[in-house]
Amino acid sequence: QKEVEQDPGPLSVPEGAIVSLNCTYSNSAFQYFMWYRQYSRKGPELLMYTYSSGNKEDGRFTAQVDKSSKYISLFIRDSQPSDSATYLCAMRSAGGTSYGKLTFGQGTILTVHP
Amino acid sequence: KAGVTQTPRYLIKTRGQQVTLSCSPISGHRSVSWYQQTPGQGLQFLFEYFSETQRNKGNFPGRFSGRQFSNSRSEMNVSTLELGDSALYLCASSFGGGLIASPANTGELFFGEGSRLTVL
Repeated sequence: QKEVEQDPGPLSVPEGAIVSLNCTYSNSAFQYFMWYRQYSRKGPELLMYTYSSGNKEDGRFTAQVDKSSKYISLFIRDSQPSDSATYLCAMRSAGGTSYGKLTFGQGTILTVHP
Repeated sequence: KAGVTQTPRYLIKTRGQQVTLSCSPISGHRSVSWYQQTPGQGLQFLFEYFSETQRNKGNFPGRFSGRQFSNSRSEMNVSTLELGDSALYLCASSFGGGLIASPANTGELFFGEGSRLTVL
């Protein structure tokens, strides 16, 4: 079983819809939670970054972390065709020498159609 | 400022050959991490270098190696290539020093566009 599970989709929604993306994880040492967006033929870019549990909002994007359930979510409001991409959740444990080591989910392919 | 630069962007090799990939991090970043991305396994951590020292390593065979130079540029090498090594190899740079929660270090990894390796 993978440390981080993410439904690969694909997920297709109409423009303006609310999108919900989720990941579950098994490693309780994970303290930092991230969502990356990856366009075709590009490297991943960071969307949201959360430490420990709670919610974080940035424009149309909201990230939620529930450490008790080992479950994280990304919500996209008023989705746009430009949001069409692969969304990757990523996690990292705290301290030590773990700066560059992220554990990624499989990625969810999202298509927002006009 | 300039982003993470990876070269070459595309390359084709045959089984048994070796390959060297290069990564130039963002200016001022001292940490470089390498990842392998495949459709089946997704993004998997290979190793991380900080100040010319490998400080973390993923679960890959010894055929995969890397190094970092004094200017923070990094190279990774794959020897005795196998068909299964076909993948997108991504380099990521970060500030990498001090406490992750410090203002100078958000812990964010900045990825390059990758080197796509095809092994025939």
